[in-house]
Amino acid sequence: GENVEQHPSTLSVQEGDSAVIKCTYSDSASNYFPWYKQELGKRPQLIIDIRSNVGEKKDQRIAVTLNKTAKHFSLHITETQPEDSAVYFCPSTGGGNKLTFGTGTQLKVEL
Amino acid sequence: GAVVSQHPSRVICKSGTSVKIECRSLDFQATTMFWYRQFPKQSLMLMATSNEGSKATYEQGVEKDKFLINHASLTLSTLTVTSAHPEDSSFYICSARKGAGTDTQYFGPGTRLTVL
Repeated sequence: GENVEQHPSTLSVQEGDSAVIKCTYSDSASNYFPWYKQELGKRPQLIIDIRSNVGEKKDQRIAVTLNKTAKHFSLHITETQPEDSAVYFCPSTGGGNKLTFGTGTQLKVEL
Repeated sequence: GAVVSQHPSRVICKSGTSVKIECRSLDFQATTMFWYRQFPKQSLMLMATSNEGSKATYEQGVEKDKFLINHASLTLSTLTVTSAHPEDSSFYICSARKGAGTDTQYFGPGTRLTVL
């Protein structure tokens, strides 16, 4: 099945700086790449997603870029704020449209 | 919109009892719902895929007789944890997909189960 590796596992940035999280996938047939944010004790929330026919998508301070040749996609958060602190996931989208979650990235935005 | 609710949000039960958790899609019809379990400081683990009108598909290692799933309508799936034990204590989260041609999954708020 699809295997997705996410880096880094933890990321600490100063408020106002940018944060970048990268995921590498193995299945070249993958065509849907979502990013979820989960705050402690809460549900995962879809924050942005991209499909394989698009190279980049932006929504205010959040953007996702896709490099199909290199098989990786990245989440970019600009002008980080304390409320961006959470765990971010880039689940793989295997057969049957299942989402398989990895360990995620713990983002901490420090004042 | 795409709102998914879960009930109850929190439940405490005695060992050996059964607990039912409901997952509802409030403003859309969900042909497919998914059930996940999340232990503290760990990732979400997919337990099963629930398809309306058919049997659920369980992931490897998940006991289908212990975690009973019923998807009787396009807006409701239930997970029953039978004969619960302390090791079943966890955060149970469901998600719903709008349609067969849609990839996006929307998550419910989760149910915190504590088995004494």
